Amino acid sequence: AQSVSQHNHHVILSEAASLELGCNYSYGGTVNLFWYVQYPGQHLQLLLKYFSGDPLVKGIKGFEAEFIKSKFSFNLRKPSVQWSDTAEYFCAVNSGAGSYQLTFGKGTKLSVIP
Amino acid sequence: DTAVSQTPKYLVTQMGNDKSIKCEQNLGHDTMYWYKQDSKKFLKIMFSYNNKELIINETVPNRFSPKSPDKAHLNLHINSLELGDSAVYFCASTPTSTDTQYFGPGTRLTVL
Repeated sequence: AQSVSQHNHHVILSEAASLELGCNYSYGGTVNLFWYVQYPGQHLQLLLKYFSGDPLVKGIKGFEAEFIKSKFSFNLRKPSVQWSDTAEYFCAVNSGAGSYQLTFGKGTKLSVIP
Repeated sequence: DTAVSQTPKYLVTQMGNDKSIKCEQNLGHDTMYWYKQDSKKFLKIMFSYNNKELIINETVPNRFSPKSPDKAHLNLHINSLELGDSAVYFCASTPTSTDTQYFGPGTRLTVL
């Protein structure tokens, strides 16, 4: 069974600071990887996804993530955060090959201080 | 033009009651899901339907029964509600099994 670990439970940053949120997964085969964001009181929205190709993936709102297969990692980055990035961030993995199951990490809460 | 909609948005009820949450998607997707998000924000899949057929049925009490009258709808019925059922329930849909999931706005269920 696949699992997803997000190392940071709560990250607090000042505006303009750089962000990196860790995500590791455990599954030896082909994976599809996702980062979702949940703004306060709202539903989950896709930030970015990786299926294949260039391991550096760019998403919306200036976010990017890098897939490192050897490390089973898919860390999320943003060079300069804004107060509006305050939200819960979820990493998720789907093992592909007709799998219907998307496994989520426990989420990282990001608080950006103006 | 809501892609995935859920009703109601809030549901407050007493223990022991039976309630339903409805989900509809107008994206033409074949696959729909129900997730439970607990107070710690942990998202756990409950059910998945593909073209009205049950695909995933995680370890969920049988008080929870999904129903898919057509591929655009996936409703969740809960019998004999318990305090521990209090959570936010999200519906989602996806065009294929492995693609991006589109989430509804959630239904916050509070059991008193």
